Amino acid sequence: QKEVEQNSGPLSVPEGAIASLNCTYSDRVSQSFFWYRQYSGKSPELIMSIYSNGDKEDGRFTAQLNKASQYVSLLIRDSQPSDSATYLCAVNTGKLIFGQGTTLQVKP
Amino acid sequence: ETGVTQTPRHLVMGMTNKKSLKCEQHLGHNAMYWYKQSAKKPLELMFVYSLEERVENNSVPSRFSPECPNSSHLFLHLHTLQPEDSALYLCASSQEGGGDYSYEQYFGPGTRLTVT
Repeated sequence: QKEVEQNSGPLSVPEGAIASLNCTYSDRVSQSFFWYRQYSGKSPELIMSIYSNGDKEDGRFTAQLNKASQYVSLLIRDSQPSDSATYLCAVNTGKLIFGQGTTLQVKP
Repeated sequence: ETGVTQTPRHLVMGMTNKKSLKCEQHLGHNAMYWYKQSAKKPLELMFVYSLEERVENNSVPSRFSPECPNSSHLFLHLHTLQPEDSALYLCASSQEGGGDYSYEQYFGPGTRLTVT
C-alpha cells in the first residue's frame, strides 16, 4: 500500500463548478497535511496546510481532514480554467511524503 | 517568488561531466531538501539537511553528492550521471521545530536536467 494515495485523474469539471480532490494516507501518527498546486513545467506551490480535524477555508479553497478515516480532501469552489493543474497531497510522517498528484482540468 | 532560488534553471550534461546545482533560501529557514521529480512519478526525497547536518539520505546513488555550507545554501554535485537521471530537481526549505507553520515546505523553481 502506498503511503499517500491520490487518484491520478484527470478530473474534469466545468467552469464555476466545485472540484473535489481526495487523498488517503496510511500512517496514523501523521500530524500535518498539505496541498500543493503544480502547473505544468513549474514547481509545486503550497496552497493549504491543515493540522486538525475538520475544515479549513481560504478563499475558494477548503481543506478537510478526517484523521479517524485517514483522508484529507481539497474542495475548490467556483473553479476557473486557471485552476487547471496537478494537485499534490503531502503528509508529514516525520518527513514529507507526497502522493502522485491529481490532474484537474477546468473546462470553460 | 517563494524565497527559494535555484540555478541553473536548465542543464544539459554528458555522462562524463561534473556539474553542480545551487539552491539559496531567503526565508530564514533551518532545513533544506533536495527532491527529484520524474515524469509520472511522485516527488522523491533525496536529501534532507536540518541545521546544516544531513539527516536523511534516501538511498541515493553516490553520483549525487550534497553539500550544505550554511543554513541558506544547498548544493547538489553531479558526476558520471546516467540518462535515467534526467528529471526536474527541486530544492525546498522549511522551518523545523514546532509552531503552527512547521514542516511547510517552500520549493524553488527547479533545475531541468537532461543527461545525454
